Amino acid sequence: QSALTQPRSVSGSPGQSVTISCTGTSSDVGGYNYVSWFQQHPGKAPKLMIYDVYKRPSGVPDRFSGSKSGNTASLTISGLQAEDEANYYCCSYAGSYTLVFGGGTKLTVL
Amino acid sequence: QVQLVQSGAEVKKPGASVKVSCKASGYTFTGYYMHWVRQAPGQGLEWMGWINPNSGGTNYAQKFQGWVTMTRDTSISTAYMELSRLKSDDTAVYYCARDGELHTLDYWGQGTLVTVSS
Repeated sequence: QSALTQPRSVSGSPGQSVTISCTGTSSDVGGYNYVSWFQQHPGKAPKLMIYDVYKRPSGVPDRFSGSKSGNTASLTISGLQAEDEANYYCCSYAGSYTLVFGGGTKLTVL
Repeated sequence: QVQLVQSGAEVKKPGASVKVSCKASGYTFTGYYMHWVRQAPGQGLEWMGWINPNSGGTNYAQKFQGWVTMTRDTSISTAYMELSRLKSDDTAVYYCARDGELHTLDYWGQGTLVTVSS
């Protein structure tokens, strides 16, 4: 399994919106509606932000939203806040009960 | 509340093995699969595989087959990940993560740093 492709970095000013893409293949992202997104602050464990492409676990602000088109999933963060600065990872079901992660995207809040 | 508490940091020599534990509490341990994910310094997350704590069944990422062993002890609600024939590029933080009601990795351990160095 090859890692999903994410931009290495994105940035935005407080209050703006940013979108992080996650590109895979028809064997993972494109083949299943099982894409999750995780937020990871330095030195901390990842935290689930989005699952099943667009669903939010309880406690996650509605500023975080997910979508998918073809083999590319996206995470959009609106109304950027300083605390959103972190690394973000996508993760997809890849068939045969396996998972694959993206390479990660560093979000900088300017 | 759900908690996953992992064992402490380890330093190993190349060629040795390491066994990391993950003690679960706050839920029925046998009810949910447990995954293991690693993260090399400054790098991204890498999925290693899972164990079904109920049956003991496992599924490993192709890269780790023949090299990783995931086990569990249901009497103490603890999952284990053992990696053998360690190399320097196995230096990483190893996480356990529960595959919960949302059918994704909803709770994570705090991570265990494994350093491989001669």
